[in-house]
Amino acid sequence: AQKVTQAQTEISVVEKEDVTLDCVYETRDTTYYLFWYKQPPSGELVFLIRRNSFDEQNEISGRYSWNFQKSTSSFNFTITASQVVDSAVYFCALSEFNAGNMLTFGGGTRLMVKP
Amino acid sequence: GAVVSQHPSWVICKSGTSVKIECRSLDFQATTMFWYRQFPKQSLMLMATSNEGSKATYEQGVEKDKFLINHASLTLSTLTVTSAHPEDSSFYICSARSYRQGVQPQHFGDGTRLSIL
Repeated sequence: AQKVTQAQTEISVVEKEDVTLDCVYETRDTTYYLFWYKQPPSGELVFLIRRNSFDEQNEISGRYSWNFQKSTSSFNFTITASQVVDSAVYFCALSEFNAGNMLTFGGGTRLMVKP
Repeated sequence: GAVVSQHPSWVICKSGTSVKIECRSLDFQATTMFWYRQFPKQSLMLMATSNEGSKATYEQGVEKDKFLINHASLTLSTLTVTSAHPEDSSFYICSARSYRQGVQPQHFGDGTRLSIL
């Protein structure tokens, strides 16, 4: 069974601070995919990144960066110099190749960036 | 990029009413569509997976007769909440995936907020 844990339910930071959102996953599959989605107050899900299990290279996209470590089954997300517009709920999700690519979401982390 | 349209975005209706929510893939053929439910301040929970032309597969605990899913074409899936009651009030969101996309990320609709009075 696959499982995704986001231990931080809420994080509050002041603008310009860096913040890291943690994600730990469990899977028995050797081929799987990890995702991060952003859900602003309006409700829609915004895709941020996808990583497959064979690619542990870290990725940076502007102020966003992701650290994928198979050894600790973690896929953490860091926002550098946070902005008020980053305030949202962030979901980490897992998809196993042998499970029809069904997405299992973590509980989400609510990020509040204060001016 | 791939776009999924969900309609309506907000529904308020009386208890006992049946409500239909549409999920359309606008620029690709969605062989598989997923329906999720999200209660306030909670995560998304998969309700069912629907494949075009076949019966939907429901997750454990989801009432098939309560949440009717139809995926009659490659661009449209509908979720009908039958005889809705206040406890059915929630945020419903669909996603779609093309067979050709393989393991590409699912494309999500903008969601439907359902409020039953």
